[in-house]
Amino acid sequence: GAGVSQSPSNKVTEKGKDVELRCDPISGHTALYWYRQSLGQGLEFLIYFQGNSAPDKSGLPSDRFSAERTGGSVSTLTIQRTQQEDSAVYLCASSFYRDSNQPQHFGDGTRLSIL
Amino acid sequence: SQQGEEDPQALSIQEGENATMNCSYKTSINNLQWYRQNSGRGLVHLILIRSNEREKHSGRLRVTLDTSKKSSSLLITASRAADTASYFCAGAGDYKLSFGAGTTVTVRA
Repeated sequence: GAGVSQSPSNKVTEKGKDVELRCDPISGHTALYWYRQSLGQGLEFLIYFQGNSAPDKSGLPSDRFSAERTGGSVSTLTIQRTQQEDSAVYLCASSFYRDSNQPQHFGDGTRLSIL
Repeated sequence: SQQGEEDPQALSIQEGENATMNCSYKTSINNLQWYRQNSGRGLVHLILIRSNEREKHSGRLRVTLDTSKKSSSLLITASRAADTASYFCAGAGDYKLSFGAGTTVTVRA
């Protein structure tokens, strides 16, 4: 595709349920990032994947959060036993390779609402 | 944790006027980037300035960087209604970006 694709665009679920968010990066981009954006806030880094290297999970807020990237392409972010404070927009970004001088390309995000 | 703060938090200007927003950051960076976010959309990269640069231009955008003060500014000249958006600065270390809280700009027709 032309850009980063995220699905679903909106997700409403009950507290305690598990949710899975998907990200399709731009073809050929080896670096993939997940961020969380709470209402009216900037972006909080969650996790970073680069090729076959071990991911940087330093931003994950709790062990209820996990992510994987299969085949170096599609990534899924899973939140188990969701809490109301997990409500936010989850944004995925990709870049050509691991280099801070490469701009990141963002998807439109998944808006997650926990009831 | 967020890299720094942006000022002002919100800005309302008339079409044709210039918009200036500032960003301060806390740690050392390789470069500083500015992104735009339209309501309900993802972020779009606008411009990148490296730590050894002081000023950079791209179209109607002008970015400055003062590493001694750990601050940057973004100037949008001759604003248009389509410039209405939130603007974020992001300090780049090795590969991570640390974002500020953003400036919401409203351009009135």
